[in-house]
Amino acid sequence: DTGVSQNPRHKITKRGQNVTFRCDPISEHNRLYWYRQTLGQGPEFLTYFQNEAQLEKSRLLSDRFSAERPKGSFSTLEIQRTEQGDSAMYLCASSLLTSGGEQYFGPGTRLTVT
Amino acid sequence: GQQLNQSPQSMFIQEGEDVSMNCTSSSIFNTWLWYKQDPGEGPVLLIALYKAGELTSNGRLTAQFGITRKDSFLNISASIPSDVGIYFCAGTLSGTYKYIFGTGTRLKVLA
Repeated sequence: DTGVSQNPRHKITKRGQNVTFRCDPISEHNRLYWYRQTLGQGPEFLTYFQNEAQLEKSRLLSDRFSAERPKGSFSTLEIQRTEQGDSAMYLCASSLLTSGGEQYFGPGTRLTVT
Repeated sequence: GQQLNQSPQSMFIQEGEDVSMNCTSSSIFNTWLWYKQDPGEGPVLLIALYKAGELTSNGRLTAQFGITRKDSFLNISASIPSDVGIYFCAGTLSGTYKYIFGTGTRLKVLA
């Protein structure tokens, strides 16, 4: 088991461009979460999937953000028309449905919008 | 977004000292998790708590799920330099699997 992986680790983009991040959860983990973390703050919940179903979305997830988990395995988070305020660390975490809630994080993708 | 209150916000301690930090909420939580995060990395799970009053240890770390279910505590005994980092609590409200994170406690250990 190699843990949760995220790609890319760093992304620099110009304002207005679209970006897509990928998360590969721990194998057999049913739940997959996306968080955003800005400097000096704790992670803020964006959305989560149980298998391929997106069960909850935060109000932070504006219409420029979309997440998918098409086959219940890896997930992608896309940000369209990026803004400077989107600059943050985007974290993915996964957990097993039957584990009681233990959630394991990936290393994150650091997004910088110039 | 909603975040839990963690205290203290930051602390400097001498190597070998014990450390205590806590996390409080105005709402009742079903689950408490404690994480440590190093700069530029994702949080690493330290301890998970599931029942009110539960006391769980992981090496030099001990965490408790508060009786009122509105708070949790983390203690680190005999701190060492590698304990440096940011410690976050996280919890779930009843009826949801969405985790709410604390504001973090920044720990610095002086050798």
